[in-house]
Amino acid sequence: AQSVTQLDSQVPVFEEAPVELRCNYSSSVSVYLFWYVQYPNQGLQLLLKYLSGSTLVKGINGFEAEFNKSQTSFHLRKPSVHISDTAEYFCAVSDRGGADGLTFGKGTHLIIQP
Amino acid sequence: ETGVTQSPTHLIKTRGQQVTLRCSSQSGHNTVSWYQQALGQGPQFIFQYYREEENGRGNFPPRFSGLQFPNYSSELNVNALELDDSALYLCASSLAGMADTQYFGPGTRLTVL
Repeated sequence: AQSVTQLDSQVPVFEEAPVELRCNYSSSVSVYLFWYVQYPNQGLQLLLKYLSGSTLVKGINGFEAEFNKSQTSFHLRKPSVHISDTAEYFCAVSDRGGADGLTFGKGTHLIIQP
Repeated sequence: ETGVTQSPTHLIKTRGQQVTLRCSSQSGHNTVSWYQQALGQGPQFIFQYYREEENGRGNFPPRFSGLQFPNYSSELNVNALELDDSALYLCASSLAGMADTQYFGPGTRLTVL
């Protein structure tokens, strides 16, 4: 069984400041890792994914994440946030077969303060 | 290329009733997954359909059932609705064997009174 822990339920950040959203996972098998963003009253949009290879993954909207196998972490970072980044962010894990779907964390609400 | 669409957008039912939610997958995708997202929570995997058969299921009771049609569209059926079934139901489509990429629809908001 897999599980995902997002360590912060809410992260307030000033506009143009850097941000890191933390994610830890547990799994007995090799996994794929994902970050999704959800804007109010909308579905999920894929920000980035780690499948294999380079541990630093770049995604859309200036976000990046680093896979750390020894710490079983996949933290999301952005060097300078904008007011439009205000949203709910979900970390997710999937085994490589995919038939068991994605396992999501509970989400982190990113609040950008002017 | 059309994205994933879901209908209806919102739905209100009463306890004990049955509901059917619909999903049209992204063009070219042959696998559909359904998720339940309760308020303030992350989505939870309900089940996945490939070639009209269920090929993966999460921890949901049998009153949650589904169908996939030859055109890869899908339905989620929930019988004997309970208050705790109130949630956003998300559909995601992907290509079989491509567990790395799921595309989500906007969801159906179900309220059970």
